[in-house]
Amino acid sequence: DAGVIQSPRHEVTEMGQEVTLRCKPISGHDYLFWYRQTMMRGLELLIYFNNNVPIDDSGMPEDRFSAKMPNASFSTLKIQPSEPRDSAVYFCASTTSEAGELFFGEGSRLTVL
Amino acid sequence: SQQGEEDPQALSIQEGENATMNCSYKTSINNLQWYRQNSGRGLVHLILIRSNEREKHSGRLRVTLDTSKKSSSLLITASRAADTASYFCATYGNKLVFGAGTILRVKS
Repeated sequence: DAGVIQSPRHEVTEMGQEVTLRCKPISGHDYLFWYRQTMMRGLELLIYFNNNVPIDDSGMPEDRFSAKMPNASFSTLKIQPSEPRDSAVYFCASTTSEAGELFFGEGSRLTVL
Repeated sequence: SQQGEEDPQALSIQEGENATMNCSYKTSINNLQWYRQNSGRGLVHLILIRSNEREKHSGRLRVTLDTSKKSSSLLITASRAADTASYFCATYGNKLVFGAGTILRVKS
């Protein structure tokens, strides 16, 4: 199995630029989660989807952040405009059960200069 | 905000020793999960314990859950250098919330 696939693995951009992070969940998983990991705040849940529908986006920090899931095999997390405080590792995870184990991708490390 | 709080923040042991990590949480939960994260990698699920269970085993891992004290512990027996990683507890109430993690270093 390919697992959860995230791209890019590393992204360095300048403040004000648009950033798009991508995620392909495991086939057959109908829940998809976006988390952000920083040293200061740990792992934070940003948003999650069930059957491509956003269920809880209360963790999305600001209107600069948006997430979409146009189909069962693809999701994006977009930051526009990016700021240095957005620097973090962004993880995508998928699962078949909201309360069950999550399968994480390897993460996208974002650095905003 | 983080639900689970791990203790200790960091732990350094010799290969072959046992490692115990603790997790405390604040509100009622449906289940509690433990994950491992190697440096620069994604999290890997280790074990899930439901709120009506008290103990669970998986290979060298033993997890206990005390809902009256709102706490859990993860025991890794006969540790190996490859166990060096960060370990996170995550509690599921209506969503999965992760603690800050324990950094485990196993010296060979």
